[in-house]
Amino acid sequence: GNSVTQMEGPVTLSEEAFLTINCTYTATGYPSLFWYVQYPGEGLQLLLKATKADDKGSNKGFEATYRKETTSFHLEKGSVQVSDSAVYFCALSDRQADKLIFGTGTRLQVFP
Amino acid sequence: DAGVIQSPRHEVTEMGQEVTLRCKPISGHNSLFWYRQTMMRGLELLIYFNNNVPIDDSGMPEDRFSAKMPNASFSTLKIQPSEPRDSAVYFCASSSRTSGSTDTQYFGPGTRLTVL
Repeated sequence: GNSVTQMEGPVTLSEEAFLTINCTYTATGYPSLFWYVQYPGEGLQLLLKATKADDKGSNKGFEATYRKETTSFHLEKGSVQVSDSAVYFCALSDRQADKLIFGTGTRLQVFP
Repeated sequence: DAGVIQSPRHEVTEMGQEVTLRCKPISGHNSLFWYRQTMMRGLELLIYFNNNVPIDDSGMPEDRFSAKMPNASFSTLKIQPSEPRDSAVYFCASSSRTSGSTDTQYFGPGTRLTVL
């Protein structure tokens, strides 16, 4: 079945460091891929998405490229800020079941 | 746009009591999802509706849980009787489903439930 695997956290970085959070997926067909972010005490918010192979999603300095050959959708940011501290979820669309499949989430902590 | 609205934001109750959580999806969205989030189990999909019809309730933990969607603008998740292990944050999300695609889900702020 469809599934998403993302790296364990927490990821701890200093401000202005480079961020990578790995995400790989298993899916039949051609799913859309998503990154959601959850700030403390809030619901999940869409950060970015990509709908087909080689698409790059980007928002707020974050980027992720849909890599079909490696079944990956790694999240990157060139210079993180303290305000980026949150939990990040990778997800894919299960078109047959018409729902999203979420990874377990990766907590990012950025210190000044 | 008001976004997904959930009420109450916080609920504290005693074991054995009935709990009802409420959700108003974004106007025009025709899919609605209920999730539960805990530290131990992460984010779990409980049930989802398309056009007010329950499609998949395989994530509902047991018969104590029930969900309804009487119309396009309102859904409830009920727990009766509640137990301490039901303590969690419950999220509602909605999306606009087009033929053959799964669109972005928009989440509400959640209801933090504590069962004593």
